[in-house]
Amino acid sequence: GQQLNQSPQSMFIQEGEDVSMNCTSSSIFNTWLWYKQDPGEGPVLLIALYKAGELTSNGRLTAQFGITRKDSFLNISASIPSDVGIYFCAGQLSNAGKSTFGDGTTLTVKP
Amino acid sequence: GAVVSQHPSRVICKSGTSVKIECRSLDFQATTMFWYRQFPKKSLMLMATSNEGSKATYEQGVEKDKFLINHASLTLSTLTVTSAHPEDSSFYICSAGNRRDSYSPLHFGNGTRLTVT
Repeated sequence: GQQLNQSPQSMFIQEGEDVSMNCTSSSIFNTWLWYKQDPGEGPVLLIALYKAGELTSNGRLTAQFGITRKDSFLNISASIPSDVGIYFCAGQLSNAGKSTFGDGTTLTVKP
Repeated sequence: GAVVSQHPSRVICKSGTSVKIECRSLDFQATTMFWYRQFPKKSLMLMATSNEGSKATYEQGVEKDKFLINHASLTLSTLTVTSAHPEDSSFYICSAGNRRDSYSPLHFGNGTRLTVT
């Protein structure tokens, strides 16, 4: 089946720094999604991308759908302590909603 | 909008008993819902696709007689862990997409922490 490689696996940064994480796949996706999960809770949608090359922002978050449709990145600018959590990318190929998830990037922000 | 509610949030049960977990789409119709299992510090593993009015589609390696899925209405899917054992202890999460949006993006419930003693 399709697999996503998400990197880095974890990040330890200082408050105020920018963060970048990405996902790559050996096959194409039609939709890329980025989620954040806090401990003991379900993932919360951050950004959804539907077109190759699309660049979308949500506050301090920016994500792009790679032009090859095989990758996506998420940037967080000026990180704050509440950005701590696990970030997952997810790719969808069909319009039936079935998604493939990356292994997650655990972000720690030091005040 | 696009709220998915999952209940219970935590459950502790004895080995050999069955546990039912509910997943509801509160403000949209979801003909398809998805059930995942997540181990500590791991990604979400898709267990099955729940289809309203028909049988669920299980992923390879997931026992359908162990994890019973019922999707009797457009807003409710249930996952029953039958004859639970300690190795079934895990975090179970459901997700759903709005049919009007072609099921994208998916929205998640808050998960159910199952502990089998």
